Amino acid sequence: NAGVMQNPRHLVRRRGQEARLRCSPMKGHSHVYWYRQLPEEGLKFMVYLQKENIIDESGMPKERFSAEFPKEGPSILRIQQVVRGDSAAYFCASSPNMQQGEQYFGPGTRLTVT
Amino acid sequence: GESVGLHLPTLSVQEGDNSIINCAYSNSASDYFIWYKQESGKGPQFIIDIRSNMDKRQGQRVTVLLNKTVKHLSLQIAATQPGDSAVYFCAENDPGGKLTGGGNKLTFGTGTQLKVEL
Repeated sequence: NAGVMQNPRHLVRRRGQEARLRCSPMKGHSHVYWYRQLPEEGLKFMVYLQKENIIDESGMPKERFSAEFPKEGPSILRIQQVVRGDSAAYFCASSPNMQQGEQYFGPGTRLTVT
Repeated sequence: GESVGLHLPTLSVQEGDNSIINCAYSNSASDYFIWYKQESGKGPQFIIDIRSNMDKRQGQRVTVLLNKTVKHLSLQIAATQPGDSAVYFCAENDPGGKLTGGGNKLTFGTGTQLKVEL
């Protein structure tokens, strides 16, 4: 029973490039959450999605960041024109439904912007 | 100026002793709390959860205590082992998301580094 999968695990981008981070939720889970973690800090909520819908994007920066969770395929977090301040670990979590609060996390993608 | 990472509070315990990790949460309306363990280079791993209608919950070697009056949460680990060394985060559920049709948006604390000495 595979857990939450994220790829790539490590991503290096130069300033101005685009970063695409992928997340496949646990089997049977239709709710996906993205969080960002800076070194030695807690995780900060970014966005909550269900299939084909963005439910809560209150933690997403207004510019350059977007997320989707299509009907088929993984959820994608996209960062356009990356800057050094985007360097962080990005974690995806999934849950089976809204009522169950427990979220299961993936291993994360570590983005480094040079 | 340039921002730097915060130094996490650290708890050092001897192997076999009990550990108590504390967390103060911010939202008095939070109704669900989770403790996560995060090892270096890995994602957070669920340890135990508790709902706001309870004040204590026990798992295998772990106990979570909730004091809503002072908005305080604690994680107790019995007979701490070297494999327990990690950063521990408490997280609270933001129920506001449910009111707007949203889900369970977790707000994480800053974390505590647990070091187990042999």
